[in-house]
Amino acid sequence: NAGVTQTPKFQVLKTGQSMTLQCAQDMNHNSMYWYRQDPGMGLRLIYYSASEGTTDKGEVPNGYNVSRLNKREFSLRLESAAPSQTSVYFCASSVGETQYFGPGTRLLVL
Amino acid sequence: SQKIEQNSEALNIQEGKTATLTCNYTNYSPAYLQWYRQDPGRGPVFLLLIRENEKEKRKERLKVTFDTTLKQSLFHITASQPADSATYLCALGDETGTDKLIFGTGTRLQVFP
Repeated sequence: NAGVTQTPKFQVLKTGQSMTLQCAQDMNHNSMYWYRQDPGMGLRLIYYSASEGTTDKGEVPNGYNVSRLNKREFSLRLESAAPSQTSVYFCASSVGETQYFGPGTRLLVL
Repeated sequence: SQKIEQNSEALNIQEGKTATLTCNYTNYSPAYLQWYRQDPGRGPVFLLLIRENEKEKRKERLKVTFDTTLKQSLFHITASQPADSATYLCALGDETGTDKLIFGTGTRLQVFP
């Protein structure tokens, strides 16, 4: 049981480049989440998916898009990266109220 | 807007003592509150959940209290060990009934021998 996996672990982008962060879970959870974590700001919800085929905006969705490809996978796309999107990104899944987090992706936008 | 506060300053305590971390919130009525542990370079890990109708919850050396009148939760680690050193995050359950959480910024705990 791998839990929640994320790829890549680390990425450097130039301003304006695009990329997709991948997330997968093998716990058969319905809900999945994308957060970003910045110093002094805590974890902030970017997007949320309550089930396959549904997505909802969180607190900071601007500049991001998501796809809930199937029950296992939830991807986060940056269409045109900006330095303000430099952060650590965490994917999580949940059964009920408890969330299970992946190891994170460190993204640096130059 | 809702606000959740945790002490941003690190808490340094001696091994064997009880560590107490505080989570305060305003403009919110969560149905439950959770505590997570986060080690450097890793994702948060769930520790405990306490509901609005519960005053106290325990798990091994961990104890959480929840005072909805004061809008405060206290998180205690008894007989603390250096291995307890980490950042501890408080998270409020969404008051509209979804599974979304609102996280505090966390408090770093350092337990020294």
